[in-house]
Amino acid sequence: AQTVTQSQPEMSVQEAETVTLSCTYDTSESDYYLFWYKQPPSRQMILVIRQEAYKQQNATENRFSVNFQKAAKSFSLKISDSQLGDAAMYFCAYSGGSEKLVFGKGTKLTVNP
Amino acid sequence: NAGVTQTPKFRILKIGQSMTLQCTQDMNHNYMYWYRQDPGMGLKLIYYSVGAGITDKGEVPNGYNVSRSTTEDFPLRLELAAPSQTSVYFCASSYSGQRLPGANVLTFGAGSRLTVL
Repeated sequence: AQTVTQSQPEMSVQEAETVTLSCTYDTSESDYYLFWYKQPPSRQMILVIRQEAYKQQNATENRFSVNFQKAAKSFSLKISDSQLGDAAMYFCAYSGGSEKLVFGKGTKLTVNP
Repeated sequence: NAGVTQTPKFRILKIGQSMTLQCTQDMNHNYMYWYRQDPGMGLKLIYYSVGAGITDKGEVPNGYNVSRSTTEDFPLRLELAAPSQTSVYFCASSYSGQRLPGANVLTFGAGSRLTVL
């Protein structure tokens, strides 16, 4: 079974600075997708970014980018120019040949003014 | 376009009571899911459905039941509530038709906080 590990329960960053959240995963599949979801205090889960494993190019969405290392099974999220609204729980997730999405335990990000 | 709607948002149950969490989506998604979120534990899949009339167990199905009689609705039934079922429950949906089932981006409801005392 696939597993997703987020080793940083909490992280903090100063406003306007850059922060990187770590995620590793374990799978025997060669074709899969990786996701980062954001959960602000409102509790609503929102997709931040999606990476296709067969694409070597790292996905980017405005201030959010990933560092996808397929051989190392690593998928980190970089947030540039951090804003107060980025404060949230961030979940890394994996999905492959199944319809099911497997989540990590999450990283709580605090943004300090 | 309401997306995924869950009701109720909050509920307190006594041990042994039963209840149903309702979930409706208006996006014509064929996949629907129920997750529970416990502090520090991420989201764990309870049940999922790939279409009307088809349901399957996830990682933590014990104590729950589901049905999928229509594309839009996917209720979650708690029988004989226990304190271990105190959690926040999320319903989600997605549309297949991607190259790989795992490509689906989930749309989540706002969550239902359930407390069993």
